[in-house]
Amino acid sequence: DVKVTQSSRYLVKRTGEKVFLECVQDMDHENMFWYRQDPGLGLRLIYFSYDVKMKEKGDIPEGYSVSREKKERFSLILESASTNQTSMYLCASRAGLAGVRDTQYFGPGTRLTVL
Amino acid sequence: AQSVTQLGSHVSVSEGALVLLRCNYSSSVPPYLFWYVQYPNQGLQLLLKYTTGATLVKGINGFEAEFKKSETSFHLTKPSAHMSDAAEYFCAVSGNTGNQFYFGTGTSLTVIP
Repeated sequence: DVKVTQSSRYLVKRTGEKVFLECVQDMDHENMFWYRQDPGLGLRLIYFSYDVKMKEKGDIPEGYSVSREKKERFSLILESASTNQTSMYLCASRAGLAGVRDTQYFGPGTRLTVL
Repeated sequence: AQSVTQLGSHVSVSEGALVLLRCNYSSSVPPYLFWYVQYPNQGLQLLLKYTTGATLVKGINGFEAEFKKSETSFHLTKPSAHMSDAAEYFCAVSGNTGNQFYFGTGTSLTVIP
């Protein structure tokens, strides 16, 4: 069974803290994605990675960075958390063989609150 | 460039009634189209997708969608709503190259007993 897991379901951090969100997939997928989900705005792509150590900016990369040292793991980093980064963060992965026709598989999400 | 518009951020239907969730897309290339469902406090789950071939696509849980190129639409339907269908639904489009999906803003479906 396909599985994407995220390290935390709920997270509360203070302004200025460094925050790590971890995502792991067990499907040997080449592509991994980080989105944030906000009411009325849908899902917006922050960063994606198409291979180990490779990354590309999405639509809203400011204030975020990512790391992919192993194929199965994709980390999202908030260098200095701010209140406007309070959101639901969703990780997804996708195989690379059929390109964008392949399904993206999502993790359960991490609801981050920055105080 | 690709984009998606979902008409109606909130839709309410009675149990047993037809469900119709609207999605229109904009794409400069033949699109691939997807519908995802998100149940409360969960991630997104694929309902169905259109890539090539038959324009009427059947998905899980009795949902289906029809790709209409002339109308640039990919509306989601279900003949008879069930209480368990209450969720947020997202339409998404991708082009035939690149890595990105473009999601709509979502439609929250309420099913009234």
